[in-house]
Amino acid sequence: NAGVTQTPKFQVLKTGQSMTLQCAQDMNHNSMYWYRQDPGMGLRLIYYSASEGTTDKGEVPNGYNVSRLNKREFSLRLESAAPSQTSVYFCASSEYPSGAGNTIYFGEGSWLTVV
Amino acid sequence: EDQVTQSPEALRLQEGESSSLNCSYTVSGLRGLFWYRQDPGKGPEFLFTLYSAGEEKEKERLKATLTKKESFLHITAPKPEDSATYLCAVQATGANSKLTFGKGITLSVRP
Repeated sequence: NAGVTQTPKFQVLKTGQSMTLQCAQDMNHNSMYWYRQDPGMGLRLIYYSASEGTTDKGEVPNGYNVSRLNKREFSLRLESAAPSQTSVYFCASSEYPSGAGNTIYFGEGSWLTVV
Repeated sequence: EDQVTQSPEALRLQEGESSSLNCSYTVSGLRGLFWYRQDPGKGPEFLFTLYSAGEEKEKERLKATLTKKESFLHITAPKPEDSATYLCAVQATGANSKLTFGKGITLSVRP
């Protein structure tokens, strides 16, 4: 009963390094999302993919890129990490991007520290 | 711009002491209001979706209610295992509208 799986769970990067967060879902969902969660702030949407083959910017996309590899997988890339990108990152998925009854399911999170 | 405000920021209860968590929202048109539970070091876990004023949903000791301006998460006779952060989010009507989250309410239930 995996749901949404993210890797890695923890990562420490030096400023300027690059890395990719991986996400996969096994619920046959069409839509996938990347959020970040910071102390004192609500969850904020970075990028989303309404369906396979499409990606769009969310609220805080600067410094990130994404790839919807296939229906199951959606990766988030930091090309040149900055200390401001220290955060907890959550991948999520839903059956559809919007509409009544659309519930978003979250992964367990990836803790990223940029020093 | 959609806004969600949750109060109080933190709440400490004694086991068995019932209370309510508040989520006030501003949205042009409400498609749905969502409640999630988040345990430390974990991702948010879905609890409820409410769609229209007057709607109520229950799950164990939790009951969520909705008006045109706010939602309440009522916790009846809480247990220590109910300790968590409770997140509220709204989704507006409109194509491809996304969830707007509040900052969460951290609930601590003492035995």
